[in-house]
Amino acid sequence: DIQMTQSPSSLSASVGDRVTITCRASQNIRSYLNWYQQKPGKAPKFLIYAASNLQSGVPSRFSGSGSGTDFTLTISSLQPEDFATYYCHQTHNVPPTFGPGTKVEIK
Amino acid sequence: EVQLVESGGGLVQPGSSLRLSCAASGFTFDDFAMHWVRQAPGKGLEWVSGITWNSGSAGYADSVKGRFTISRDNAKNSLYLQMNSLRTEDTALYYCAKDIPPRSAGFHYMDVWGKGTTVTVSS
Repeated sequence: DIQMTQSPSSLSASVGDRVTITCRASQNIRSYLNWYQQKPGKAPKFLIYAASNLQSGVPSRFSGSGSGTDFTLTISSLQPEDFATYYCHQTHNVPPTFGPGTKVEIK
Repeated sequence: EVQLVESGGGLVQPGSSLRLSCAASGFTFDDFAMHWVRQAPGKGLEWVSGITWNSGSAGYADSVKGRFTISRDNAKNSLYLQMNSLRTEDTALYYCAKDIPPRSAGFHYMDVWGKGTTVTVSS
């Protein structure tokens, strides 16, 4: 199975900060990488697919990049509603696997 | 409105069986692959199983292979997960999720999720 790692596991940031989360795959997954946001007590929300494509309705302050084994999710200007846990997710191989998550907290 | 509603969770003893259901509405169910994803209390997301739009292919996490079976009834717009030989480590919130794009081979991304149904395995 492909193992996904994320860094950092958590971070504290202020509203307006630029935030970058890194995701690494244990082998080449080309661009088969997606990102989800999850708030406490809620189902995950789909943000980005194929590494860099924003799902419809997702604010443009979110962006994704990368290919192969290294990927990033960037929030250009953190908003109060962005405090949540973010998961990367590969679909290059079955089973699809998620990263362990990065919790973005208020500083 | 696209909606997924899970049901069937509950408290069961180790070794028991349970069948989860997911009722879909608001989209052409038989055009899309579907998934079960679980989240243990305080933990991250774990893909459990997926099935293609035409039931031609199904996949399972190693942790449930041989114990869980995914199925779908396109006439009833419903997805199922039969869980046998349940273990304490299967305790989790189980989400049903819709894949995109339509009528595609394999699994891609999950754009719609239900609210989940809770399974607790304990003696």
